[in-house]
Amino acid sequence: QVQLQESGPGLVKPSQTLSLTCTVSGGSISSGGYYWSWIRQHPGKGLEWIGYIYYSGSTYYNPSLKSRVTISVDTSKNQFSLKLSSVTAADTAVYYCAGGEKTTVTYPPDYWGQGTLVTVSS
Amino acid sequence: DIQMTQSPSSLSASVGDRVTITCRASQGISNYLAWYQQKPGKVPKLLIYAASTLQSGVPSRFSGSGSGTDFTLTISSLQPEDVATYYCQKYNSALTFGGGTKVEIK
Repeated sequence: QVQLQESGPGLVKPSQTLSLTCTVSGGSISSGGYYWSWIRQHPGKGLEWIGYIYYSGSTYYNPSLKSRVTISVDTSKNQFSLKLSSVTAADTAVYYCAGGEKTTVTYPPDYWGQGTLVTVSS
Repeated sequence: DIQMTQSPSSLSASVGDRVTITCRASQGISNYLAWYQQKPGKVPKLLIYAASTLQSGVPSRFSGSGSGTDFTLTISSLQPEDVATYYCQKYNSALTFGGGTKVEIK
């Protein structure tokens, strides 16, 4: 069973870069057949997709965040990462990493991390 | 960008009631539509994918239908443990979520 775990600072200063890592266990991130996503949820609000990456390194970002987002994969560590630059208080949210299967058919993300709260404040 | 619109934003129903939530895509998405359940303080859980396929382990009182732009999640007999917020999500290319529907017990 694939499991995901987010890690990274819980507090980031305004204008700085938010950096989070998702460690995948129970499966190899480089084996293919999956895409790896970042999703966030502002306090008391709905879910917002940030972007995803395939094991090959190709990415797809939410157009509303694209100019500030970078998602990368480190197959040697079985991890993928999120960088969100120039953060403001509006980026305060619970950040989830999630994985979905993509072979000849695409499935929605069904493996989720527990989520990590990131607060943007000076 | 394709937008996903859910309605209602909240509802209150009695135990045993049939509950219906709708999700509309601003453009056709075939059947690339999923439904998630999120209980307070918990991680979203995948209920349905491909518009109508029940994820393994999900109770059969949940069902989904639709294709193209209009989709429905139905709970045939609402149970206390179904109190949650439900989200639709398109997953062909961008993974856009609907705004959510909060379901409460009357």
